[in-house]
Amino acid sequence: GQSLEQPSEVTAVEGAIVQINCTYQTSGFYGLSWYQQHDGGAPTFLSYNALDGLEETGRFSSFLSRSDSYGYLLLQELQMKDSASYFCAVGATNKLIFGTGTLLAVQP
Amino acid sequence: DAGITQSPRHKVTETGTPVTLRCHQTENHRYMYWYRQDPGHGLRLIHYSYGVKDTDKGEVSDGYSVSRSKTEDFLLTLESATSSQTSVYFCAIRDTSKDRYTFGSGTRLTVV
Repeated sequence: GQSLEQPSEVTAVEGAIVQINCTYQTSGFYGLSWYQQHDGGAPTFLSYNALDGLEETGRFSSFLSRSDSYGYLLLQELQMKDSASYFCAVGATNKLIFGTGTLLAVQP
Repeated sequence: DAGITQSPRHKVTETGTPVTLRCHQTENHRYMYWYRQDPGHGLRLIHYSYGVKDTDKGEVSDGYSVSRSKTEDFLLTLESATSSQTSVYFCAIRDTSKDRYTFGSGTRLTVV
């Protein structure tokens, strides 16, 4: 089966940097994704790592270590609008399995 | 944004009644998915489809069935709704070229 672990809540201040970690156990792994969900909204795609290393997209970066079954999402220059839930998800055999999500609260 | 719509957006139904939720896409993607979201559980996969008439079970498929008679439509049916199926249901389509999933706006279902 598949399982993912990520912190349930993280708090940070505006302008700071925050890292959200994700560890996973899965069979048929082919990539780690991150999704953002604002309260009451649909999840939206942030990033995807198929290979080890860092992927950067603007203020957001995502890292994957396949040997450690570990990844993280790095958010820089935090803004109030970044307050949301963040989900890591593993791609495995035609489907995407999600972690339980990390609620990020950005404070002024 | 990718063309994916869910209907209805909200529904209240009684225990024991059948309910069908609809997901419609205009992107011609092969893969479509149904998830449910509950507090503390994140998004859990119910069923998915990898083509017309091709479907498979996810993590929490008991009490649900699906059908895909056309590429653009993926239906989720609760044969006999129970209060434990009160949830927010999300449909998603998968762009395999980028391995990116796009979600619909969700259906909030309440079973009373």
